[in-house]
Amino acid sequence: QVQLQESGPGLVKPSETLSLTCAVSGYSISSGYYWGWIRQPPGKGLEWIGSIYHSGSTYYNPSLKSRVTISVDTSKNQFSLKLSSVTAADTAVYYCARGLSSDHWGQGTLVTVSS
Amino acid sequence: QSALTQPPSASGSPGQSVTISCTGTSSDVGGYNYVSWYQQHPGKAPKLMIYEVSKRPSGVPDRFSGSKSGNTASLTVSGLQAEDEADYYCSSYAGSNNPYVVFGGGTKLTVL
Repeated sequence: QVQLQESGPGLVKPSETLSLTCAVSGYSISSGYYWGWIRQPPGKGLEWIGSIYHSGSTYYNPSLKSRVTISVDTSKNQFSLKLSSVTAADTAVYYCARGLSSDHWGQGTLVTVSS
Repeated sequence: QSALTQPPSASGSPGQSVTISCTGTSSDVGGYNYVSWYQQHPGKAPKLMIYEVSKRPSGVPDRFSGSKSGNTASLTVSGLQAEDEADYYCSSYAGSNNPYVVFGGGTKLTVL
């Protein structure tokens, strides 16, 4: 079955860059689908960050576009998120998911922005 | 790029039906048949319950159904069960030249 697993630092300092990776198993990224990132601040709702197609085309939330980069490594069957110039407002659980309808999700990873 | 509008809470007794609304604009909900609904229990990742307005993924009970009229999409849960108590979020594809996805603010469903 399709499984996604996020990994990366749980603590990032303000003004630095948040970097996360999503490892995919049970499905080859090269076979299709969009692959995306969604976040959820503690006690709040979901926010779509952006998605990448298996070919490399990217689509970002307009409100985050200037700070976000999503990339894909088909050889490792994984995709990554970089969010620059983070502030405390970027503290959230970050999820990776398959498809614009997000039919499969990772378990999520909490990233705290603090000095 | 405003979030879709959902009521903050909804409730019903076991066995009853509850409908949760999700209101957007002609640029998102009203413009595309790509509305999804997610169920999220505390501390868990969201689970896809409905996609493309009214389609159910394999394994989702047929007690869950979706529909859309104009700029408003709806999720109906029939035959409420205790395990349906959760947060529910809608999302929609939006934009044309620069596509993106927008979520609703979420609805807390309480089974009385």
